Amino acid sequence: AQSVTQLDSQVPVFEEAPVELRCNYSSSVSVYLFWYVQYPNQGLQLLLKYLSGSTLVKGINGFEAEFNKSQTSFHLRKPSVHISDTAEYFCAVSSTAGGGNKLTFGTGTQLKVEL
Amino acid sequence: NAGVTQTPKFRVLKTGQSMTLLCAQDMNHEYMYWYRQDPGMGLRLIHYSVGEGTTAKGEVPDGYNVSRLKKQNFLLGLESAAPSQTSVYFCASSFGTSNIQYFGAGTRLSVL
Repeated sequence: AQSVTQLDSQVPVFEEAPVELRCNYSSSVSVYLFWYVQYPNQGLQLLLKYLSGSTLVKGINGFEAEFNKSQTSFHLRKPSVHISDTAEYFCAVSSTAGGGNKLTFGTGTQLKVEL
Repeated sequence: NAGVTQTPKFRVLKTGQSMTLLCAQDMNHEYMYWYRQDPGMGLRLIHYSVGEGTTAKGEVPDGYNVSRLKKQNFLLGLESAAPSQTSVYFCASSFGTSNIQYFGAGTRLSVL
């Protein structure tokens, strides 16, 4: 079984400040890791993914994340946020064990960017 | 290219009524999924399908049924709706082992 923990349910930050959204996972097998973003009243969009290779992954809109296997973490970072980054962010993990590429999601972090 | 389309976008049901949510994808994806999203709980997998004619249970399958008669469509049925099924439902699809899921815009369902 696999699980994802997003400890911060809400993160307020001022515009142009840096931000880090934390994600920790647990799994008994190798995993793939994802960050999705959900803007109000919309579906989820893929922000970035880690499948293999370099542990530093760059995504859309200036976001990046680092896979840390020893700490079982996949924290999301952005050096300077914009008002338009206000959204809910979900970390997710999947494995191909058992077929179906099923995703297990964290409970989400609401990022609120203020002027 | 529409991607993943969910129908309807909103629906209000009375307890005990039935309904079917339709998900259609035009990306020729093998895998399709139904999730529900509730405040503070993230997205939870209801059922999924790894190909036409196949379905499997996810994390929270009780009270729901699904069918995948055509590769591009994945239907989610509620036979007797309950207030606990008030939620936002998302459909997603993925291509084989790419592990990247593409999501529809969601269906907001209220059961009174």
